[in-house]
Amino acid sequence: DQQVKQNSPSLSVQEGRISILNCDYTNSMFDYFLWYKKYPAEGPTFLISISSIKDKNEDGRFTVFLNKSAKHLSLHIVPSQPGDSAVYFCAALGSARQLTFGSGTQLTVLP
Amino acid sequence: DAGVTQSPTHLIKTRGQQVTLRCSPKSGHDTVSWYQQALGQGPQFIFQYYEEEERQRGNFPDRFSGHQFPNYSSELNVNALLLGDSALYLCASSWGTATYNSPLHFGNGTRLTVT
Repeated sequence: DQQVKQNSPSLSVQEGRISILNCDYTNSMFDYFLWYKKYPAEGPTFLISISSIKDKNEDGRFTVFLNKSAKHLSLHIVPSQPGDSAVYFCAALGSARQLTFGSGTQLTVLP
Repeated sequence: DAGVTQSPTHLIKTRGQQVTLRCSPKSGHDTVSWYQQALGQGPQFIFQYYEEEERQRGNFPDRFSGHQFPNYSSELNVNALLLGDSALYLCASSWGTATYNSPLHFGNGTRLTVT
């Protein structure tokens, strides 16, 4: 039973354009959401987070949007750069204080 | 400032054997969590150690056990290895048990192959 789903295993975007990565969750007890980025042969690196009391959080080129009623969040990267090419994981945190990850989306930014 | 370090980086074991993986947390962190990442999947929570005790556990059998030492470093032990245990094992550290104010910092992982 996947509580956090990333339905797009891959996404290709032209350099300079916007990248939009999507994530859906089923557990309404999740109250904090995070995005991690992972390069090959490295561990995941924290990117940005959002609390369930907010609907948007911005950090430079990265913005995360949360739609609680739809149990959906998205990560926007503007403008996309070739160095952004990586696997992006959506993760959720609930009262159990353990992160539940999605299966990841491979983003490729084409020069 | 050293980040999370894991050893070894790669390991090959035979079915039925036992394995120990090691992790040193990021400086200033006192909590260690272990995750298993199977090919094409996201990391799956195994357990978390804080103050030398297991505080949280995911849906993993008792063959998976761990330990945390007074210097906050940690070990993951897996007994009676199965082919399905082949995966990337990630260690993550944080300050305190909640990640609201302290996002997890991950090591580069140990790639375990069971033959």
